[in-house]
Amino acid sequence: SAVISQKPSRDICQRGTSLTIQCQVDSQVTMMFWYRQQPGQSLTLIATANQGSEATYESGFVIDKFPISRPNLTFSTLTVSNMSPEDSSIYLCSVRPGQGPAADTQYFGPGTRLTVL
Amino acid sequence: GNSVTQMEGPVTLSEEAFLTINCTYTATGYPSLFWYVQYPGEGLQLLLKATKADDKGSNKGFEATYRKETTSFHLEKGSVQVSDSAVYFCALSDPPGKLIFGQGTTLQVKP
Repeated sequence: SAVISQKPSRDICQRGTSLTIQCQVDSQVTMMFWYRQQPGQSLTLIATANQGSEATYESGFVIDKFPISRPNLTFSTLTVSNMSPEDSSIYLCSVRPGQGPAADTQYFGPGTRLTVL
Repeated sequence: GNSVTQMEGPVTLSEEAFLTINCTYTATGYPSLFWYVQYPGEGLQLLLKATKADDKGSNKGFEATYRKETTSFHLEKGSVQVSDSAVYFCALSDPPGKLIFGQGTTLQVKP
């Protein structure tokens, strides 16, 4: 498995502002993902963070709203831009090591709990 | 497209009761199947997985068997504890690597 940390763990923000969430992994991983978990809901994939190229976004998510960076194989950031109360969610980073028996298993960070007022 | 359906919760049980949480899936091909658990205030933890038909995943007393004929991956535990209270998510792997989750089932175990 992989050890994943996220910063911040939680934040309360004003509408119209932006927040950048960091995800750090203790080893190099092939694939990194960002998910959103709205209150009382399941997880929805926002995008796949590609190392050295633009992220791949899922339907309903756009780069202008959720810009993502992945400068290397152990780190990624997700920015939630121009926030509104509807963006209040838990944002989770996950990784897929992509090697051996765990090749298709994803491991999740502890999440960032965002509240937008 | 691929999808996962879980039984609706919440599920409320007494300690030492038998647990079943139903999960069925729709998929093309042969995805891997997973159960994740989310304890209050925490992120997701992988509970168990199965990668092909008839595989049984197991961990911490929980079990689930990959049933291709019924497209199911039901989670079971013979004797639940208060500490098992959490939200349980069934998921399948969807190429090229993302996970598709069910809606989650809340389990509450009372002493």
